[in-house]
Amino acid sequence: SQQGEEDPQALSIQEGENATMNCSYKTSINNLQWYRQNSGRGLVHLILIRSNEREKHSGRLRVTLDTSKKSSSLLITASRAADTASYFCATDEEGGKLIFGQGTELSVKP
Amino acid sequence: EAGVAQSPRYKIIEKRQSVAFWCNPISGHATLYWYQQILGQGPKLLIQFQNNGVVDDSQLPKDRFSAERLKGVDSTLKIQPAKLEDSAVYLCASSWGQGGGELFFGEGSRLTVL
Repeated sequence: SQQGEEDPQALSIQEGENATMNCSYKTSINNLQWYRQNSGRGLVHLILIRSNEREKHSGRLRVTLDTSKKSSSLLITASRAADTASYFCATDEEGGKLIFGQGTELSVKP
Repeated sequence: EAGVAQSPRYKIIEKRQSVAFWCNPISGHATLYWYQQILGQGPKLLIQFQNNGVVDDSQLPKDRFSAERLKGVDSTLKIQPAKLEDSAVYLCASSWGQGGGELFFGEGSRLTVL
């Protein structure tokens, strides 16, 4: 079963612009995580935000969480060509099961 | 720290044949996961182990898929017999504790079923 749904499915921007991806989910969560996947590679953890947190920063990444709307957003500021990848949100369910969304494919053009 | 190791990286088989994938998690990680990722989709959890016990295998097609985690360390995922729709990347991941935290992924094993 898929818990999170990312929006948009694909995003194309120029280097230096900001990229915003959204994630909506259906059930109560303990935390929400964002991962990045470069083409042909495994997923890499970016950031984890707990259900009692509203915003979290890590370098050029900013994540927000609105549990009342069951949604999260990932903002990448001053994007670079190296940020080109697929980005997935993941929510934890009972038992520590991590369920991933369908992902947003980001393309950053130099 | 060594990462999650998976092999083989690529495998091509014909339908109805069998295949096995191997995963060695990060040392000390109690929880191990196998995910299936079909092209263009997000990873789908197949099975989750904590140490050598199964926590969740609700989405594992048990008529053809099997997995084990010997001595709570390495794990193998087997498909027998394979179907065309099993073509996907099989990702292994591991984490500390009982799950719900950060997952560390291997590079995946890409399966093509002809």
